Amino acid sequence: DGGITQSPKYLFRKEGQNVTLSCEQNLNHDAMYWYRQDPGQGLRLIYYSQIVNDFQKGDIAEGYSVSREKKESFPLTVTSAQKNPTAFYLCASTPGQGPQDTQYFGPGTRLTVL
Amino acid sequence: AQSVAQPEDQVNVAEGNPLTVKCTYSVSGNPYLFWYVQYPNRGLQFLLKYITGDNLVKGSYGFEAEFNKSQTSFHLKKPSALVSDSALYFCAVRHSLGGKLIFGQGTELSVKP
Repeated sequence: DGGITQSPKYLFRKEGQNVTLSCEQNLNHDAMYWYRQDPGQGLRLIYYSQIVNDFQKGDIAEGYSVSREKKESFPLTVTSAQKNPTAFYLCASTPGQGPQDTQYFGPGTRLTVL
Repeated sequence: AQSVAQPEDQVNVAEGNPLTVKCTYSVSGNPYLFWYVQYPNRGLQFLLKYITGDNLVKGSYGFEAEFNKSQTSFHLKKPSALVSDSALYFCAVRHSLGGKLIFGQGTELSVKP
């Protein structure tokens, strides 16, 4: 997990509220990613960013938004439009944009909707 | 389309015995293959990857994996399992020309003393 921090570790949200999950990396990596993990479903890509001020939707972007104003930061906002947001959220980064680059993961944020 | 399958939801092994966690993939071209491990409520830790070259790849914590192109497999192995190896293991694949990293659904490894 070294080099990538996610906060908070646990987050509780009431229905109808937006919440923002933080992801910071000090690895000087170009690309950053957000995944959602649900039991038995592996990891699903929400959004990714290959360069500052640019990002693309992944497979399950609906109800989520991101920004990439700084190279080291890639926050994820879970909006009230996300119907089932309770999950474990993982941020990752890669040194470059090559397919051989290894993705390194943060420790994750567990979001629970009350 | 790319895909990866981990046919076993759970693998049970006695401590000291060899372990194998299976992974098969589907890619129309050359694959790049990765293995990760996840401990409870933690992020994924990188174990090893196959890019090109020797089909036997050695990684962290004594793990290794063998790339078999004819069987489209990339099974994870360790000669002698430890109780501390108990965790969730993910295989992932990406096409060598780029695209998303596709993850399998994970295999829960349980090593009993």
